[in-house]
Amino acid sequence: QKEVEQDPGPLSVPEGAIVSLNCTYSNSAFQYFMWYRQYSRKGPELLMYTYSSGNKEDGRFTAQVDKSSKYISLFIRDSQPSDSATYLCAMNQGSNYKLTFGKGTLLTVNP
Amino acid sequence: EAQVTQNPRYLITVTGKKLTVTCSQNMNHEYMSWYRQDPGLGLRQIYYSMNVEVTDKGDVPEGYKVSRKEKRNFPLILESPSPNQTSLYFCASSSDRAAYEQYFGPGTRLTVT
Repeated sequence: QKEVEQDPGPLSVPEGAIVSLNCTYSNSAFQYFMWYRQYSRKGPELLMYTYSSGNKEDGRFTAQVDKSSKYISLFIRDSQPSDSATYLCAMNQGSNYKLTFGKGTLLTVNP
Repeated sequence: EAQVTQNPRYLITVTGKKLTVTCSQNMNHEYMSWYRQDPGLGLRQIYYSMNVEVTDKGDVPEGYKVSRKEKRNFPLILESPSPNQTSLYFCASSSDRAAYEQYFGPGTRLTVT
């Protein structure tokens, strides 16, 4: 079993839709849970992070972590064409610098 | 502007010809790392450095070398490139206060023929 599993998609939605992106993981030592966004021909950039379990909201984006199920989600409300990108989940144990990434989900928001 | 720079951005080379991809950051970050990104395999860590003169292997270090002689620079060296090293390479850095937030460079697309 891979440490982090993420459905690669692709996912195509109409503008204004609610998007749900998910990752599962197997390593219970992970403490930090991140979502990175990568536009085409660019490097990934941090979108949101959550420490331990719970929810975090930032504008149209909500990150959820359920450590009991080893499951994390990113919700995008009122999706916009500018949200079209690859979304990568990433996890960190907190005791070191190593990030373990999912393979990324390619999202296209159609106007 | 805080940034990570990489050079070159694009490189086509032949098997066996040594090459270096440079990486530089202007944020005084302690931690730097190299990744390669391949379709279907995602981002995989090649090498990382905790600070000057401190480097260690990541998940896929074979065929690569690194050095960290200055805090801001972390070059990636391919002594004898092979076609299976054709990939998109990213350098990243982070501070010791926020290891979860890694700043990525723009990427170097390498083709080895």
